[in-house]
Amino acid sequence: ETGVTQSPTHLIKTRGQQVTLRCSSQSGHNTVSWYQQALGQGPQFIFQYYREEENGRGNFPPRFSGLQFPNYSSELNVNALELDDSALYLCASSLGGGNQPQHFGDGTRLSIL
Amino acid sequence: AQTVTQSQPEMSVQEAETVTLSCTYDTSENNYYLFWYKQPPSRQMILVIRQEAYKQQNATENRFSVNFQKAAKSFSLKISDSQLGDTAMYFCAFKANAGGTSYGKLTFGQGTILTVHP
Repeated sequence: ETGVTQSPTHLIKTRGQQVTLRCSSQSGHNTVSWYQQALGQGPQFIFQYYREEENGRGNFPPRFSGLQFPNYSSELNVNALELDDSALYLCASSLGGGNQPQHFGDGTRLSIL
Repeated sequence: AQTVTQSQPEMSVQEAETVTLSCTYDTSENNYYLFWYKQPPSRQMILVIRQEAYKQQNATENRFSVNFQKAAKSFSLKISDSQLGDTAMYFCAFKANAGGTSYGKLTFGQGTILTVHP
């Protein structure tokens, strides 16, 4: 069974640029959630995708957007990067969004200069 | 909105001893789930244990058990026979079993750094 994989592992960008982070869900999982984890803090929910549609969103501005593909892999796009966007971005997959536990990837460390 | 509070920024324990991590939460929901996740320096968030709010019986997974007090909105994690590999950041998390724009959302606490000493 393949777990959740994220790419890239690390990324450095400058303010104003755009970035795309990628996530492959665990085999058989059709739901993907994205979280932002600032240094020393707990993760914050960005949004969730189920069968290619966004069906849940946290308190993040529209410049954070996403996609889910037919194979249930997902992308997180962030436009007009700000210094505060520096964080660990975690992807989690699950089978449905109900009481099924979310399984996390290792994350992408994004640094904004 | 739900909030999760972990009041212990750091804890330490000797190998083979028992330690309890605290968590309180606030919600108006009646049907929800609670989780403890472990995040070692490798960064991956690993599910340790989960509890359904409608179940009165406390969840147990090997050396890990919880004390779930629904009326007090408290959800502590007890680790017995602590091992060096238990050293990590531990997060308490809440998920409502409801729809709406926050569907699927896990709300995390600030975390507790646990260090197990040999």
